[in-house]
Amino acid sequence: NAGVTQTPKFQVLKTGQSMTLQCAQDMNHEYMSWYRQDPGMGLRLIHYSVGAGITDQGEVPNGYNVSRSTTEDFPLRLLSAAPSQTSVYFCASTKTGGGNEQFFGPGTRLTVL
Amino acid sequence: GENVEQHPSTLSVQEGDSAVIKCTYSDSASNYFPWYKQELGKRPQLIIDIRSNVGEKKDQRIAVTLNKTAKHFSLHITETQPEDSAVYFCAASKYDYKLSFGAGTTVTVRA
Repeated sequence: NAGVTQTPKFQVLKTGQSMTLQCAQDMNHEYMSWYRQDPGMGLRLIHYSVGAGITDQGEVPNGYNVSRSTTEDFPLRLLSAAPSQTSVYFCASTKTGGGNEQFFGPGTRLTVL
Repeated sequence: GENVEQHPSTLSVQEGDSAVIKCTYSDSASNYFPWYKQELGKRPQLIIDIRSNVGEKKDQRIAVTLNKTAKHFSLHITETQPEDSAVYFCAASKYDYKLSFGAGTTVTVRA
C-alpha cells in the first residue's frame, strides 16, 4: 500500500491564481481531512469528508473548496490564492470505528507571492 | 469548537532524563486524545493515543495520562534519546476525522 499520497510536494503561486492540491489513499478509509500547518499554530482543519459525496467545513475553510467523488480521492482547491494561504498542507485519512489513527500524507509546501 | 492548549512550546532535556508535555482541552465531550511526533520536513506520525475510558497508557518509554475531570492530558517520555528530538503535538477530538491540535512542543535532547 502507498498509504496517503499528495501532489505536488512544492508549489509557488502568484496572488489570484487557482490550483488544486491532490490527495489519494489506497487503504479504503471512509474519512479524509485536510489540514494546514503554520509555524507556532499546530495543524488546523480546513475541510473534511466522512464518505464519497459528503464534505463539511472545518476550522479554517475560507478560500478553499473540496469535493469527494470517490473513496480514494479528496482534492483541495484554492479558488484565488492569497499570501495568507502560504502554508504546508497535509491530507489525512482514517477508517471508521472510533479512536482510530489518522494517517497523514507527506504534505504540500505552498508559497503564494 | 474544541480549544487545545499545549505547554511548554520548547523543551530541552539532557539525554537520559525525562520529558513531560502537558495539554488542556475545552470540550468535555472530547473522548480521543492522540499524540503525534513530527520530525523536520516530515509528516506527523502517531506515537500514542488514549481514549476517555482509560486514565493511563504506556508503550515502552512513552506514556500518556488523562484527567477527564480537569480536562488535561500529558505525554511522558522517559530515558530520552537523541532520536526523540522532534516536534510533538497533542490533539483532542469527539470524532476521528476532526482533530483539534495543540500548537506543538519542540523537544531537543542534548547529548
